[in-house]
Amino acid sequence: QSALTQPRSVSGSPGQSVTISCTGTNSDVGYYNYVSWYLQHPGKAPKLIIYAVTKRPSGVPDRFSGSKSGNTASLTISGLQADDEADYYCCSYAGYAEVFGGGTKLTVL
Amino acid sequence: QLQLQESGPGLLKPSETLSLTCTVSGDSISSSSYYWGWIRQTPGKGLEFIGNVYHDGITFYNPSLKSRVTISIDTSKNQFSLKLRSVTAADTALYYCATLNWAFWYFDLWGRGTMVTVSS
Repeated sequence: QSALTQPRSVSGSPGQSVTISCTGTNSDVGYYNYVSWYLQHPGKAPKLIIYAVTKRPSGVPDRFSGSKSGNTASLTISGLQADDEADYYCCSYAGYAEVFGGGTKLTVL
Repeated sequence: QLQLQESGPGLLKPSETLSLTCTVSGDSISSSSYYWGWIRQTPGKGLEFIGNVYHDGITFYNPSLKSRVTISIDTSKNQFSLKLRSVTAADTALYYCATLNWAFWYFDLWGRGTMVTVSS
């Protein structure tokens, strides 16, 4: 069970859009539609922002959206805001276990 | 409102057993809505799934940790616990407990986390 692959860092200017990729295998991301995404600000616990690939929990702005193609899931953040600067983690169900990505640091320029 | 709180020793020596407890408040741990899970985060690194327990005691573990991990549940105390045997410096991490929604397999609510350091 290897970690999912995410870019170490991405960046964008306020108002722009960024996309973070999350690549797994046909045993996790590619097989199940249970990819979730978490945002983590420094010193805080992770917060759920996307589940089941595309669904947003109540209270999460529609600037955050998720998608999947094959073994790769993606998180897109549109209309970047300063407060979006954080670490982002993907996670996939892998058959009675969960596997996380290594995390992506988003910098808002 | 459901809340989770981790507790346990913050410093261990190599080869000892890590024991942490997660106290659930605001709902019964016997709720069938969740699995109850443990995740850890090593300093400066990412998140790692450790395992889950259901209210009936059924458990699922990360295969890479399975030989050293036991997760149990105490419904009378509204708590669930993590034991990790034979710790090394590599087990130094921030340990979180969390609810796992089994309908869509996501971690919904997280505790604040508790730091565990393994050092001689």
